[in-house]
Amino acid sequence: QSALTQPPSASGTPGQRVTISCSGSSSNIGTNYVSWHQQLPGAAPKLLIRRDDQRPSGVPGRFSGSKSGTSASLAISGLRSEDEADYYCAAWDDSLRGPVFGGGTKLTVL
Amino acid sequence: EVQLVQSGAEVKKPGESLKISCQSSGYRFTGYWIGWLRQKPGKGLEWMGIIYPDDSDTRYSPSFQGQVTISADKSTSTAYLQWTSLKASDSAMYYCLLGLEYWGQGTLVAVSS
Repeated sequence: QSALTQPPSASGTPGQRVTISCSGSSSNIGTNYVSWHQQLPGAAPKLLIRRDDQRPSGVPGRFSGSKSGTSASLAISGLRSEDEADYYCAAWDDSLRGPVFGGGTKLTVL
Repeated sequence: EVQLVQSGAEVKKPGESLKISCQSSGYRFTGYWIGWLRQKPGKGLEWMGIIYPDDSDTRYSPSFQGQVTISADKSTSTAYLQWTSLKASDSAMYYCLLGLEYWGQGTLVAVSS
């Protein structure tokens, strides 16, 4: 069982806005930054959002992150077929003294 | 530019030993932790452990404690993941991760008799 909880799946049609949630605790999301990672089929994961809501260079503005308390969300607007991937949230955990990850959310573009 | 380059795919037999690597460049190697994660086909990412290269302080996920060894060589800016006796259940893709930001390309390990 993952330390961070994500829905196993999400879906949307092209152009729609979808959100993926990530729930944690006071020892991880509640006190540390959240990052989001995208894993396209057959590829290594890559950073999508760092420090709760910052997009690295090259990540489209359609992707945005937010955090409130012990939960975080990833929003994808203007959904495109190439967004079909697995998405993982992650954060440092002060109790474990290591990183924790969500179980991943498989996004399907219908 | 930060880069993590992992060693190539491995095919091993049960009971054999293995050490895979993750060579870093583009940043101060001793400044950040490097972690290793496992991913089995069709499954999510499992954190195995991390190392702080500056002092080799190493922490393992309880699930992997005693099963693997993580090490680092400051002289070559390389982190390692090592097994002394592989099992078929160790077959997976392994990724190194710098902080929570930069990923290696992955190393596929196949263990089969």
